[in-house]
Amino acid sequence: GAVVSQHPSRVICKSGTSVKIECRSLDFQATTMFWYRQFPKQSLMLMATSNEGSKATYEQGVEKDKFLINHASLTLSTLTVTSAHPEDSSFYICSASRGVTEAFFGQGTRLTVV
Amino acid sequence: GQNIDQPTEMTATEGAIVQINCTYQTSGFNGLFWYQQHAGEAPTFLSYNVLDGLEEKGRFSSFLSRSKGYSYLLLKELQMKDSASYLCAPMDSNYQLIWGAGTKLIIKP
Repeated sequence: GAVVSQHPSRVICKSGTSVKIECRSLDFQATTMFWYRQFPKQSLMLMATSNEGSKATYEQGVEKDKFLINHASLTLSTLTVTSAHPEDSSFYICSASRGVTEAFFGQGTRLTVV
Repeated sequence: GQNIDQPTEMTATEGAIVQINCTYQTSGFNGLFWYQQHAGEAPTFLSYNVLDGLEEKGRFSSFLSRSKGYSYLLLKELQMKDSASYLCAPMDSNYQLIWGAGTKLIIKP
């Protein structure tokens, strides 16, 4: 199956700093990449959808200036959490689409803001 | 609105069979996915149904009835490693996956 690599898997940062999370499709070109966050025992919540070379589409309630998404190539998307606060601590997961009905997930990034 | 309904939690015995039901309402429909998610990990793909009927893949099978807005995941010969959450995720007319909270499956020896 297709492989999506997400890095880092865990990160601890100080409040007020920024954190960048990378999502790479290793063996296919991803037409679309999705970013989710998941709080403990809750469902995946879609944050934004990004297509290569265009601006990301953010879901309602997600601050685009706080969660910066860059989709520079068909194999790489990045999510930057700017000026992180403890309430941003969560599990962030990316998925990459190969065609409209195939979505493969990265390993996830556990972000802890102290 | 869009809605997913799955049981919150189920318990089954090692070696047995369990069926996890899912009913859904979406704006349009482009198939339904089942994912497995172990605690602290990202979801992994199990199955995709777009036509009515049963798809069998090893110990796991998935069924879809589009007219009823209903799907189930059938797990046979349960193993302890099958303890996880199982997420039913239909895809709407915009090809967006709609996520519920999933079903936590507990396997007992």
